[in-house]
Amino acid sequence: QVQLVQSGAEVKKPGASVKVSCKASGYTFTGYYMHWVRQAPGQGLEWMGWINPNSGGTNYAQKFQGWVTMTRDTSISTAYMELSRLRSDDTAVYYCARGDNYYDSSGYYTYYFDYWGQGTLVTVSS
Amino acid sequence: QSVLTQPPSVSGAPGQRVTISCTGSSSNIGAGYDVHWYQQLPGTAPKLLIYGNSNRPSGVPDRFSGSKSGTSASLAISGLQAEDEADYYCQSYDSSLSGYVFGTGTKVTVL
Repeated sequence: QVQLVQSGAEVKKPGASVKVSCKASGYTFTGYYMHWVRQAPGQGLEWMGWINPNSGGTNYAQKFQGWVTMTRDTSISTAYMELSRLRSDDTAVYYCARGDNYYDSSGYYTYYFDYWGQGTLVTVSS
Repeated sequence: QSVLTQPPSVSGAPGQRVTISCTGSSSNIGAGYDVHWYQQLPGTAPKLLIYGNSNRPSGVPDRFSGSKSGTSASLAISGLQAEDEADYYCQSYDSSLSGYVFGTGTKVTVL
């Protein structure tokens, strides 16, 4: 069965960086893009970007460009998300989510997120 | 500042039918991009509920159904059950943002 297991909770000071891992199992890691989504306390979901585990190519949401780095290690089927220059409003639960894709009826190549990690709470506080 | 708008909350008695709307614009739903729905139970990760506007993944009860028309989409829950109390989010793609977007989220309460 597909499983995404994330690293544990982190507490960071403002200005620091955090790196969250997401270990995949139960499927071919290089066959699906990995997306990252965050959720601030009591707030909604926010898409951050994706990484293609096969090529290492990335695509970041405009808001996070220059600020987030997504990488992967195919030898251990693990994706990483690193966020730098942390601020207090980066306090959130960070999720990895596997992206499944298809061509929709309008001809667009689209993604939805069929499996999610359990989430990693990152707290930014001085 | 999500580009997909949902009602903050909806409620219904057990057995009733409730619907959740997801309103977008010409750069996302109105442009023809498909809509997907997720259920988030308290304290847990989101779970895929509907993909491609109206398709249910294996294991999702047929009480859940989705539709899309114009710049909006809807999720319907029929035969409401206590276990359906959760937050629900729609998701699509936005060409202006060149990225994936989620709705503002709707809390479903079973009275």
